Amino acid sequence: DGGITQSPKYLFRKEGQNVTLSCEQNLNHDAMYWYRQDPGQGLRLIYYSQIVNDFQKGDIAEGYSVSREKKESFPLTVTSAQKNPTAFYLCASSIGSGGLETQYFGPGTRLLVL
Amino acid sequence: QQPVQSPQAVILREGEDAVINCSSSKALYSVHWYRQKHGEAPVFLMILLKGGEQKGHDKISASFNEKKQQSSLYLTASQLSYSGTYFCGTEGYTNTGNQFYFGTGTSLTVIP
Repeated sequence: DGGITQSPKYLFRKEGQNVTLSCEQNLNHDAMYWYRQDPGQGLRLIYYSQIVNDFQKGDIAEGYSVSREKKESFPLTVTSAQKNPTAFYLCASSIGSGGLETQYFGPGTRLLVL
Repeated sequence: QQPVQSPQAVILREGEDAVINCSSSKALYSVHWYRQKHGEAPVFLMILLKGGEQKGHDKISASFNEKKQQSSLYLTASQLSYSGTYFCGTEGYTNTGNQFYFGTGTSLTVIP
């Protein structure tokens, strides 16, 4: 079955620690996205990638980093510079990066700070 | 940049209708609508393109008024399964290329 997987489902971070959230898709989609969702709020774009080895910052990229070495993988690292990382993180992909393309979402990772 | 949705929250009885609005300050190329159940990922509902298009699926339909930079989602004869948070996603024109943003969200609760 094609889809997007995110792992882990829950992640705990200690102060000053970097953590990496995994996102894998087998839909053969070119574009991938990372969003952050805070309780009761909408989705805010962190980073997006239109093609392998290329990515752009979204609205709230500070404190985060990404890589896109493979088409199917787009890991997100939450660095210690991100002072308020507790949130629900959603990864999405689409065939292309234009507005006509439906975004398919993974199940999400909930990050909590200890 | 983020489109604004209204109302923020609505409670309906089964069978009642609802309208959710999405407004942008930028010229729009397309509008997407998604529904998110609590604790789950958003699920795509439909895309509308500029040109005053209207689309529908079962008892859920939407319109897109390009001139007003607005889209509305119509839920008719609501069912319990309609409960969730609805997000619009807008693609707008900018100097650096098209940008995509999700709206602020509307929480919809359908009660028996």
